[in-house]
Amino acid sequence: DAGVTQSPTHLIKTRGQQVTLRCSPKSGHDTVSWYQQALGQGPQFIFQYYEEEERQRGNFPDRFSGHQFPNYSSELNVNALLLGDSALYLCASSFNPGRYEQYFGPGTRLTVT
Amino acid sequence: TQLLEQSPQFLSIQEGENLTVYCNSSSVFSSLQWYRQEPGEGPVLLVTVVTGGEVKKLKRLTFQFGDARKDSSLHITAAQPGDTGLYLCAASGAGSYQLTFGKGTKLSVIP
Repeated sequence: DAGVTQSPTHLIKTRGQQVTLRCSPKSGHDTVSWYQQALGQGPQFIFQYYEEEERQRGNFPDRFSGHQFPNYSSELNVNALLLGDSALYLCASSFNPGRYEQYFGPGTRLTVT
Repeated sequence: TQLLEQSPQFLSIQEGENLTVYCNSSSVFSSLQWYRQEPGEGPVLLVTVVTGGEVKKLKRLTFQFGDARKDSSLHITAAQPGDTGLYLCAASGAGSYQLTFGKGTKLSVIP
C-alpha cells in the first residue's frame, strides 16, 4: 500500500522564480493538504484540496496556489519566490469522512537563493 | 488563530528514564493528534484523541486528552534511543479542516 509520495525531494531556486511541487496521496485518500515547515518550527497549513477545489486556506499570500487533479494528486505552485520561502513543504492526505487523520509525505526541501 | 504551546522545547534524557511532554491551548479542539518527525522526513501519525479525558496507549507511549479538550500530554516509559525525534502535537477546531501544529518537543535519548 503506497503512502504519500512527493517530488522532487530537493530543489534550489533563485529569488523571483516560480516553482511547482507535486504530491500523490495515499491509496484510497481523496483529500490533500499542503504545509510549510520552516527550520525549527512546526508545519503551517497552506491550503486543502477536495473534489478538485480549494476547501480551506491558511494565512499565506496569493503567490501560493494549488491544484488537484481527478486522480486526487495535487500540485503546489509558488510564484515570485522570496528567500523566506525556503522551507520543507509537506503534503498530507486523508479520506474526507475521517478528516482528523492526515498522513504526511516525506516533503520537498526548497532552498531559495 | 488557535495556538498550541508545547513544553519543554528540548529534552535530553538517558535511556531507561521516563518523560512527559505537554501540549496546551486556550482553545477547545474537536480532535488532537500527536506526530513524531525525524530529520528530513515528514511527520508520522502516532495517535488521534477526540474525547475529553481520553487515554490511549501505544506500547510504551501513553497519550491523554484533557477533560476540557484544551490540552494533552504524551508520557514515554523507559525511553529508548529509537524514541529520539521531534514530537509534534496538532489540533483542529470544530468545522475546520486545518491542522494547527505546535513548535514541537525535540527529544534526544542517550544510550
